[in-house]
Amino acid sequence: GAVVSQHPSRVICKSGTSVKIECRSLDFQATTMFWYRQFPKQSLMLMATSNEGSKATYEQGVEKDKFLINHASLTLSTLTVTSAHPEDSSFYICSARVPRLAGASETQYFGPGTRLLVL
Amino acid sequence: GENVEQHPSTLSVQEGDSAVIKCTYSDSASNYFPWYKQELGKRPQLIIDIRSNVGEKKDQRIAVTLNKTAKHFSLHITETQPEDSAVYFCAASIAGGYQKVTFGIGTKLQVIP
Repeated sequence: GAVVSQHPSRVICKSGTSVKIECRSLDFQATTMFWYRQFPKQSLMLMATSNEGSKATYEQGVEKDKFLINHASLTLSTLTVTSAHPEDSSFYICSARVPRLAGASETQYFGPGTRLLVL
Repeated sequence: GENVEQHPSTLSVQEGDSAVIKCTYSDSASNYFPWYKQELGKRPQLIIDIRSNVGEKKDQRIAVTLNKTAKHFSLHITETQPEDSAVYFCAASIAGGYQKVTFGIGTKLQVIP
């Protein structure tokens, strides 16, 4: 399957600082990437859809000024958690859509996730 | 928007028995249904998927069935093994464009040796 990397895998920061998470598609070009947040023992909550070369589409209830997404190239999307607070502590996972034939649904492959702990 | 319901939330089976996880979706336009397996602290891994032009798909011990009329689909794992223990997520999406995938809440499967 397609390979998606994510960096860092784990980060601990002080309250008020900003944290940047990178998501890379290693062996394919991803025009669309997705950012999820997952709390312990819960499902994947979609935060935003990141489209290369355009603004991200945020889900309802997700603050776009707090969770800045940039998709500057076909292989890289970044999520920046600005002025992080303890309630932002979570597991953040990105995924990239592997393009398939036109008209067919496309499979998502996930990154390994980033565990963020805000003290 | 799409709403995916999944049950049970937890499932315990004896090694060698079968496990079945069921999901329903609300949007009749959805036509792609992947299943993901997530082990503790790791990324979700695609294990099988099915498209709406197919009613059933099988890959070794794993099978998925789809009933478009009833808008439900199921994951079947036969001859379960301890390494099948994980959280399983169903999902639904619409083909084409940049349609997002809507996930179910997950099922924690425990296979007892």
